Amino acid sequence: EADIYQTPRYLVIGTGKKITLECSQTMGHDKMYWYQQDPGMELHLIHYSYGVNSTEKGDLSSESTVSRIRTEHFPLTLESARPSHTSQYLCASSESGQGKNIQYFGAGTRLSVL
Amino acid sequence: TQLLEQSPQFLSIQEGENLTVYCNSSSVFSSLQWYRQEPGEGPVLLVTVVTGGEVKKLKRLTFQFGDARKDSSLHITAAQPGDTGLYLCAGVDSGGYQKVTFGIGTKLQVIP
Repeated sequence: EADIYQTPRYLVIGTGKKITLECSQTMGHDKMYWYQQDPGMELHLIHYSYGVNSTEKGDLSSESTVSRIRTEHFPLTLESARPSHTSQYLCASSESGQGKNIQYFGAGTRLSVL
Repeated sequence: TQLLEQSPQFLSIQEGENLTVYCNSSSVFSSLQWYRQEPGEGPVLLVTVVTGGEVKKLKRLTFQFGDARKDSSLHITAAQPGDTGLYLCAGVDSGGYQKVTFGIGTKLQVIP
């Protein structure tokens, strides 16, 4: 069982609000990722980090930002939420090193912006 | 950007039937992973295949990695309703960062 946690699981907010989605892992993994996924559809990588103070944008452009101040914590922030941000957000982590790239996923945050 | 194509994207079958899901790319991967995602949850790793031509079995699921390490297949024998979910293949780059690229997924529904 993966030790990676996302909060909240569900969030319904109004347009223009600032939100932060939390992601924490207790496995000591260097690599962490944020994916955006419409229900039952493909995963789109929006942010990733290979260690503390390292963050990169993923393949899908996103208005969100991330930070990696501690190894175990990788929060995602939307400064001003819009209905187009409505989606499921999945956080994942993996070890570094050859052959150690299994991604462990959290249960996700389902965001609805009204 | 490496692309992974999965087919079919949607599959609805009766309990007891067999099925095969395909994952194809024009690129070579160092390894390929298969994940299953159930509604409301994150994907969970099923298997990793590393060697060209490798075949791995997980109960009723058989995974094969192509000889050239560009494609893979997942075969399910006698599908059960518990097999319902989204099946994702993911290719791992051979580069230093070992980037993982996910396919679009195959949504499987097994009807009792």
